[in-house]
Amino acid sequence: GESVGLHLPTLSVQEGDNSIINCAYSNSASDYFIWYKQESGKGPQFIIDIRSNMDKRQGQRVTVLLNKTVKHLSLQIAATQPGDSAVYFCAEKGNNDMRFGAGTRLTVKP
Amino acid sequence: GAGVSQSPRYKVAKRGQDVALRCDPISGHVSLFWYQQALGQGPEFLTYFQNEAQLDKSGLPSDRFFAERPEGSVSTLKIQRTQQEDSAVYLCASSRLAGGPGAKNIQYFGAGTRLSVL
Repeated sequence: GESVGLHLPTLSVQEGDNSIINCAYSNSASDYFIWYKQESGKGPQFIIDIRSNMDKRQGQRVTVLLNKTVKHLSLQIAATQPGDSAVYFCAEKGNNDMRFGAGTRLTVKP
Repeated sequence: GAGVSQSPRYKVAKRGQDVALRCDPISGHVSLFWYQQALGQGPEFLTYFQNEAQLDKSGLPSDRFFAERPEGSVSTLKIQRTQQEDSAVYLCASSRLAGGPGAKNIQYFGAGTRLSVL
C-alpha cells in the first residue's frame, strides 16, 4: 500500500556539522508535506512545511527539499546543535488524510 | 495556557478498565485531532473535530474508542474495556482554522498521555 517512510532510522552527527534527514513517500496525490521534531516526553513540534508546487523552502537553519520526480523529501539542518537531538518525522497530506513516517532519531555528539 | 494541554500525562490501567483522556486545545482553535502513537512509530490519526462536530472518526480502531468535544473546546477520548494493544501515547493536536487531517493547517500538539494497560 502507499506509505510514508524514512531511509534511516538513526543518524549521528558531530556538533556543528550539517544534518540531512531523508523521507520517501509513495502517494502521488499528496500535495503538502511537513517536518516535525519530537523530543523525549513531548509532542511533535512543527519545523517547516512545503507545498507540492515548490521544490525548496528555507527556514531558520533548516531547509526542506522536495523532489516529486522520485517522491523524496529531505530536511537539512545547518550547524547542528545538541538541542537538535530528537526524533524527526515527515508527514504527508492529501486526499483529506495525513500520514506520518516512523521517524529518524538524530543524535548530536559534542 | 499557551499550548495544548493533556491530562493525565501517564495512566496505568488494568485490562478491562475504562479510561478517559483529556485535551485542552489552544484557546479559539477550531480544529481538534486525536492521534495514537505506538512506541517507535509515528502518530496515527484517530479522529477530528470541527468545533463540537466530530467530522471524521475513520481512524478509531474499534467501537471501544469514543471521543467527544461537547462545547467545542475541551475534548475527551474514552477507551472502554482497555486491552494491552491499547498501550500507546495518545496525542491531541489543535489547529486555528477549520479543516480535516488533510488540510494545509499547522497542527499544534500536546505532550500526550502515555497509557499502559497491564
